[in-house]
Amino acid sequence: DGGITQSPKYLFRKEGQNVTLSCEQNLNHDAMYWYRQDPGQGLRLIYYSQIVNDFQKGDIAEGYSVSREKKESFPLTVTSAQKNPTAFYLCASRTGTSVYEQYFGPGTRLTVT
Amino acid sequence: AQSVTQLGSHVSVSEGALVLLRCNYSSSVPPYLFWYVQYPNQGLQLLLKYTTGATLVKGINGFEAEFKKSETSFHLTKPSAHMSDAAEYFCAVSEWETSGSRLTFGEGTQLTVNP
Repeated sequence: DGGITQSPKYLFRKEGQNVTLSCEQNLNHDAMYWYRQDPGQGLRLIYYSQIVNDFQKGDIAEGYSVSREKKESFPLTVTSAQKNPTAFYLCASRTGTSVYEQYFGPGTRLTVT
Repeated sequence: AQSVTQLGSHVSVSEGALVLLRCNYSSSVPPYLFWYVQYPNQGLQLLLKYTTGATLVKGINGFEAEFKKSETSFHLTKPSAHMSDAAEYFCAVSEWETSGSRLTFGEGTQLTVNP
């Protein structure tokens, strides 16, 4: 089945550690996105990538980094510089021919203590 | 930049009653509009979308939405609520930048369905 995979579903880290969240898609989509979700704040865009080896900062990129070395993969690293990393992280993708609609993965809940 | 306002962070209805979730947007160009649904601890699922053409859009699970340009609104409705409709709903507007397209989301509306 085609879709977007995010792993793991739950992730726990100690403060001061970097952590990388995985996002893989087998939909052959060109664009990929990372969002952060906090209660009552909707989804906020962290980074996005329209093509391989290129990505742009979203609205809340500070403390995060990404890479796009392969079309199907868009990992997100939450660095120790991110002040409030505990959140639900969602990855999405979009085909180059769609009217901007995005398809979402199941999410990763990160807890940093 | 575009923005989306969802009126009411929590909406509660009885099973069988009308569901109305409100969404207003601001956009300097003709918008593409979307409604997504999210069940607890899951990703978002597309309910419906408006691009061009007919302003009344039908989606999955019996939901529909009407694009009203004069009111800059895209409210989501369902004639008869079911217990399984309890979830969080997000309205989104598309935005095109030189670096590509992105969606701007509202803050979400939590729908509760009472038996």
